[in-house]
Amino acid sequence: GAVVSQHPSRVICKSGTSVKIECRSLDFQATTMFWYRQFPKQSLMLMATSNEGSKATYEQGVEKDKFLINHASLTLSTLTVTSAHPEDSSFYICSAPALDGQETQYFGPGTRLLVL
Amino acid sequence: AQSVTQPDIHITVSEGASLELRCNYSYGATPYLFWYVQSPGQGLQLLLKYFSGDTLVQGIKGFEAEFKRSQSSFNLRKPSVHWSDAAEYFCAVSMDSNYQLIWGAGTKLIIKP
Repeated sequence: GAVVSQHPSRVICKSGTSVKIECRSLDFQATTMFWYRQFPKQSLMLMATSNEGSKATYEQGVEKDKFLINHASLTLSTLTVTSAHPEDSSFYICSAPALDGQETQYFGPGTRLLVL
Repeated sequence: AQSVTQPDIHITVSEGASLELRCNYSYGATPYLFWYVQSPGQGLQLLLKYFSGDTLVQGIKGFEAEFKRSQSSFNLRKPSVHWSDAAEYFCAVSMDSNYQLIWGAGTKLIIKP
């Protein structure tokens, strides 16, 4: 089946630095990818929709200058957390649609970010 | 506004017992309905989905779910749980063709030996 990978799986960084998270569709092309954030013991919160060849669409309340999204190719989207702060510590998950006509998505394994 | 409700934050069942996880949605039309499972350290995995047709859908790992339009529900069931089923279960719906999902809060399943 289709696979979505994320790298890194876990990252620890100092406050004020930037962190890049990669999301790749390994055996299919994805013109659209979604980025989610998941807080402990809570559901997924959609942050933005990443579109290949155009700007990302951000959900209300998500700072686009802080969470930079680049959909560089049909198999790669990156999320950069700029000037990270401890409150940015979270679990970040990406997904890509299966394009099966049934709204199925494939999810990456997630990236655990800890900002010290 | 559209919403998905999973009323049980956590459920504890004995190994071998039956399981039902509840999910209700709020929307005028029939959405696409999904159940995902998230195991510790692993990504979200699709258990099953309802698109159209037969309202009782079979999924992986012995799970099934029934869509009941009159109750706006899509409850997940398994006749006999295994210890490996301990995980967080999320119900999600998609209302249109842009693949955006609306998520329930999740239900944590705890299995008693």
